[in-house]
Amino acid sequence: GAVVSQHPSRVICKSGTSVKIECRSLDFQATTMFWYRQFPKQSLMLMATSNEGSKATYEQGVEKDKFLINHASLTLSTLTVTSAHPEDSSFYICSARPGTVTYNEQFFGPGTRLTVL
Amino acid sequence: AQSVTQPDIHITVSEGASLELRCNYSYGATPYLFWYVQSPGQGLQLLLKYFSGDTLVQGIKGFEAEFKRSQSSFNLRKPSVHWSDAAEYFCAVGLGNAGNMLTFGGGTRLMVKP
Repeated sequence: GAVVSQHPSRVICKSGTSVKIECRSLDFQATTMFWYRQFPKQSLMLMATSNEGSKATYEQGVEKDKFLINHASLTLSTLTVTSAHPEDSSFYICSARPGTVTYNEQFFGPGTRLTVL
Repeated sequence: AQSVTQPDIHITVSEGASLELRCNYSYGATPYLFWYVQSPGQGLQLLLKYFSGDTLVQGIKGFEAEFKRSQSSFNLRKPSVHWSDAAEYFCAVGLGNAGNMLTFGGGTRLMVKP
């Protein structure tokens, strides 16, 4: 299957700082990328959907000013957690898919573990 | 709103034994259904999916799942579990554009004992 990478795999930051997480599709063009959040021993919760060149669509309850998503190219999407606080500590996972209309499998990245001190 | 329930948080089976992981969904119509596996430090991998047609679907790694509309279930099965199958398994419902918007169940952690 296609490969999606995330960088960094782990990040520790101080409260109040901003953290950027990158999601890259390595061998296909990702028209759509998704960002999920996973708390320990819990399921993945969709945060937002982004289409290349468009503003991201955020799920209810997700603060768009806190979780900035940029999908400027067909192979790269970034999630920036602004003014991070300890409650933002979580496992962030992205996925990418090549198409928009018909079904196309989502390929998931390995995730980024964010710890905010 | 749609929801996915995986009743078993943890399951332990002996290597070589059969496995069934339960998944129930709540949705007004027939959804697209998926099973994913997540190994530590790795991304989710798609095991199989159901869109329509034959209600018994075959997936990778010897897994299969059966869609039962009357029970709103999509249980995952494997006849003989291998130690390498130990992982977290997620059932998901796909909605929206051709099932691309995924709602995940809470997950079932599978442990395999020798």
